[in-house]
Amino acid sequence: AQSVSQHNHHVILSEAASLELGCNYSYGGTVNLFWYVQYPGQHLQLLLKYFSGDPLVKGIKGFEAEFIKSKFSFNLRKPSVQWSDTAEYFCAVSPYGNNRLAFGKGNQVVVIP
Amino acid sequence: DAGITQSPRYKITETGRQVTLMCHQTWSHSYMFWYRQDLGHGLRLIYYSAAADITDKGEVPDGYVVSRSKTENFPLTLESATRSQTSVYFCASLGQGAKDRRTEAFFGQGTRLTVV
Repeated sequence: AQSVSQHNHHVILSEAASLELGCNYSYGGTVNLFWYVQYPGQHLQLLLKYFSGDPLVKGIKGFEAEFIKSKFSFNLRKPSVQWSDTAEYFCAVSPYGNNRLAFGKGNQVVVIP
Repeated sequence: DAGITQSPRYKITETGRQVTLMCHQTWSHSYMFWYRQDLGHGLRLIYYSAAADITDKGEVPDGYVVSRSKTENFPLTLESATRSQTSVYFCASLGQGAKDRRTEAFFGQGTRLTVV
């Protein structure tokens, strides 16, 4: 089964700072990639997804992610965070042809006003 | 309303009791999943189902049972609850569109289960 690694589980930054969260997966075949966000007390919501095509994908709320196949990575970025971006962020991977969706352990991001 | 709903939202039960968490989706999505969310562990897959009457174990299936007699429902049963099963449980569904087009997974609001 595939596995997903997220580093820097706790991130604290100030408003207007840039954010980058790393995601690496272990699976040799074609994959579908996702970033989900969970605001305090809420369920998971999709930020962005990659199935195929342009490896740079744009999602909601100014987030983007880049798929680098050679590095098995799908890193999330936002140039300028806001206090409302305080949340937990999860990277998820499912192999093509098998929709078993595996999650990383998440990144807890706190944005200080 | 269309969507995915879980019930109950909160549950307190005693050790050894059987408890069932319900999940219902209105999209007729083929795939459904149960995850548990614990601090430091992220979301771990308990069971998933690719279609009615097809289920498979995930990463942490011990102590849980699932069934899927209808496409829209995917109940999760803790046969004899233990304190280690205190967690937040999320159900999700995922569609398989035409021409092998995937969709993302949609999550329910979660069930916070406390076993005392």
